[in-house]
Amino acid sequence: EDQVTQSPEALRLQEGESSSLNCSYTVSGLRGLFWYRQDPGKGPEFLFTLYSAGEEKEKERLKATLTKKESFLHITAPKPEDSATYLCAVQAPYGGSQGNLIFGKGTKLSVKP
Amino acid sequence: NAGVTQTPKFQVLKTGQSMTLQCAQDMNHEYMSWYRQDPGMGLRLIHYSVGAGITDQGEVPNGYNVSRSTTEDFPLRLLSAAPSQTSVYFCASRTQGLAGRDNEQFFGPGTRLTVL
Repeated sequence: EDQVTQSPEALRLQEGESSSLNCSYTVSGLRGLFWYRQDPGKGPEFLFTLYSAGEEKEKERLKATLTKKESFLHITAPKPEDSATYLCAVQAPYGGSQGNLIFGKGTKLSVKP
Repeated sequence: NAGVTQTPKFQVLKTGQSMTLQCAQDMNHEYMSWYRQDPGMGLRLIHYSVGAGITDQGEVPNGYNVSRSTTEDFPLRLLSAAPSQTSVYFCASRTQGLAGRDNEQFFGPGTRLTVL
């Protein structure tokens, strides 16, 4: 069964304190791994797509990396505005599931000034 | 482009009532889907569609119906609301190309539903 597990469930950081969020997955034939940011009361907002092991992508203070079994979202020198829930999702091969996204439960990040 | 729009933003129902959550997108996306989000459960797929006239069940379809008569609209119907359907509902859309390298999935703002 395809699964996505995110850890930790919650993370509290001081402003400027770098850290990483983890997303481990089991899926046969990964087509893509996605990171989303979700602010309270809003829909998820797309951040990155990663397709193959070794791939990295960056956006401002965020950097996403991918291995064959997990992905990391590194946050460098976070600011309070980085506080949000970060969601990871994987896309299974097309076929019966039509490439549906399978989401993890998310990591709630709080950055204190 | 408005992107993905959802109405209403908030709704309160009594047990047994029926209603339709509306979803529309103006990006000409083939794929549309409905998720529910509950505390501690993450986003779970209810129904999805890969084009007009084609729908299929996701992980948690019971108690919900969908139809896709146009590319733009994908309404979600609650047939007889139950307290277990209290949740936040998100509609999403994306392209359905086989290439898949840039198939970003866009989400609507959500509908917060309470069933008493």
